[in-house]
Amino acid sequence: KAGVTQTPRYLIKTRGQQVTLSCSPISGHRSVSWYQQTPGQGLQFLFEYFSETQRNKGNFPGRFSGRQFSNSRSEMNVSTLELGDSALYLCASSLAGRTTYGYTFGSGTRLTVV
Amino acid sequence: QQQVKQSPQSLIVQKGGISIINCAYENTAFDYFPWYQQFPGKGPALLIAIRPDVSEKKEGRFTISFNKSAKQFSLHIMDSQPGDSATYFCAASTEGAQKLVFGQGTRLTINP
Repeated sequence: KAGVTQTPRYLIKTRGQQVTLSCSPISGHRSVSWYQQTPGQGLQFLFEYFSETQRNKGNFPGRFSGRQFSNSRSEMNVSTLELGDSALYLCASSLAGRTTYGYTFGSGTRLTVV
Repeated sequence: QQQVKQSPQSLIVQKGGISIINCAYENTAFDYFPWYQQFPGKGPALLIAIRPDVSEKKEGRFTISFNKSAKQFSLHIMDSQPGDSATYFCAASTEGAQKLVFGQGTRLTINP
């Protein structure tokens, strides 16, 4: 059974640019959640999508957005990149978005903003 | 109220020793407390989890101790091995929740 796949693994972008990250969940999982991991702030919840609908959103500016497609794949977009957006972006998939069952993380996308 | 505080930030233990990582939470609505293990270049992986209706849960060399009145829980790794060297995160959520609230992480190094 394939795990959660995140692409690309590494990205280098310039301040002011925008970036799109992709997450393919485990087959059959309908929920995708996104987290930002930095040395200073740790792991912070960005948002969660279930059946193409955003159900929950963390405390991040509107430059951070996402969407989910009918096949449950999800994309996350960050516009007008800032140096502080450099982080490891992780997605987690689960059957129904419940953290208590089958909540599986991908290996992440390492974004560096220069 | 959403915070989970984790200590220590880093920990060095000799092979065969006991590693202990502590967490404290504020939100009494939390009812699910997992521990995640993360190796460099990988995402966090669920290690062991506990609910507040039990005070201890053991899986192999890993044990969670839970103190509901103190709002604290801890991870004990018995007979620590070099392969246990990783970053450990405690977390908390409520049943049916769509997000985890994580502690800051503990970088554990097991010296051979």
